[in-house]
Amino acid sequence: DVKVTQSSRYLVKRTGEKVFLECVQDMDHENMFWYRQDPGLGLRLIYFSYDVKMKEKGDIPEGYSVSREKKERFSLILESASTNQTSMYLCASRPQGPEQYFGPGTRLTVT
Amino acid sequence: GESVGLHLPTLSVQEGDNSIINCAYSNSASDYFIWYKQESGKGPQFIIDIRSNMDKRQGQRVTVLLNKTVKHLSLQIAATQPGDSAVYFCAENIISGGYNKLIFGAGTRLAVHP
Repeated sequence: DVKVTQSSRYLVKRTGEKVFLECVQDMDHENMFWYRQDPGLGLRLIYFSYDVKMKEKGDIPEGYSVSREKKERFSLILESASTNQTSMYLCASRPQGPEQYFGPGTRLTVT
Repeated sequence: GESVGLHLPTLSVQEGDNSIINCAYSNSASDYFIWYKQESGKGPQFIIDIRSNMDKRQGQRVTVLLNKTVKHLSLQIAATQPGDSAVYFCAENIISGGYNKLIFGAGTRLAVHP
């Protein structure tokens, strides 16, 4: 079974803090994704990566950056957290086909 | 509990009944569709998929129907069980900038009552 893990299930940070969300997959997938999920809005793509050290902006990249130094790990960085970044963050990985495998999510609260 | 399901349309069914969850998609060039199930506190899980050259695909207790004429997708769950209670998302795959990209619907909450 594919396993995608995220470093934290719940996280509380203060406005202005730098926040790191880590995601690891164990299936040697080349493609990895970060989404945020908000009530009634579905999943919105923040960034994705199709290879080590490669990254592409998704639909809502503002206020975020990413890092992919190793194939299995994809990090989402909030340089200066703001209250409107309070959300559920979901990481996913994908082999060559379209299907994506999701982690359990990190619920981030910025106060 | 998780707040992801707030403001979502809700389908309420009795245990043992069949459920039909509908989804409209937007891109006529979409070549692949997926249904995901998201239980409270968990990430979305793959249920079933269908390619655009098909109009029906069956799995265990689930069937997906695709009507490309009206850009409509449905998920049918037979003999709905309490464990089916979750939020269900459809997703369409498009090619954007040379990459496969999934576009997700907002989701429907399925509530199963005993």
